[in-house]
Amino acid sequence: GAVVSQHPSWVICKSGTSVKIECRSLDFQATTMFWYRQFPKQSLMLMATSNEGSKATYEQGVEKDKFLINHASLTLSTLTVTSAHPEDSSFYICSARGGASGRTYNEQFFGPGTRLTVL
Amino acid sequence: GQNIDQPTEMTATEGAIVQINCTYQTSGFNGLFWYQQHAGEAPTFLSYNVLDGLEEKGRFSSFLSRSKGYSYLLLKELQMKDSASYLCAVRRDTGNQFYFGTGTSLTVIP
Repeated sequence: GAVVSQHPSWVICKSGTSVKIECRSLDFQATTMFWYRQFPKQSLMLMATSNEGSKATYEQGVEKDKFLINHASLTLSTLTVTSAHPEDSSFYICSARGGASGRTYNEQFFGPGTRLTVL
Repeated sequence: GQNIDQPTEMTATEGAIVQINCTYQTSGFNGLFWYQQHAGEAPTFLSYNVLDGLEEKGRFSSFLSRSKGYSYLLLKELQMKDSASYLCAVRRDTGNQFYFGTGTSLTVIP
């Protein structure tokens, strides 16, 4: 149980284009989803927190107009990197947390990540 | 803000025991988590502590001292497949965000 998927697993795009990454909780309802980015040989950096049906909360220094997050349902959140540039190339990972109680409430369950390369 | 520090790299011998330390300074602490991550993959959950003391899970144990802002992950009977990055993460009490440490790259040698 507690499986999270991401799509696509990798994407290559041209500078200036927008890229959408999907994060889905497959067997539980994710009341909260988190988006991280990770540069090579570095740790995960939290970008934003999204709660179903409300606006995402962005960490300091993360541009909300550049990284658009939508959490329209309890099983799906999307991250859109708008007008992507080479410095946006990174590994983007989502995680999901359930509500109420139990394991899905106490932990975060990570998706497999999306490798974005902007040329 | 969150300051979460770990050693950058460690090397240990197959079959041995290794301890990976994590120190943190954070507001609104609500638990410390340990994850293992292989290159290009998502982190996988290992252990977590909310209260002080030692939590044991097979070959992995984690310790927490909230007053000292300190945790460690203990790996016993090291295997070659344990070569990976180990990340500690602090959970906030509001919003339940996780803030990750700098990560420790562990290399297990024969």
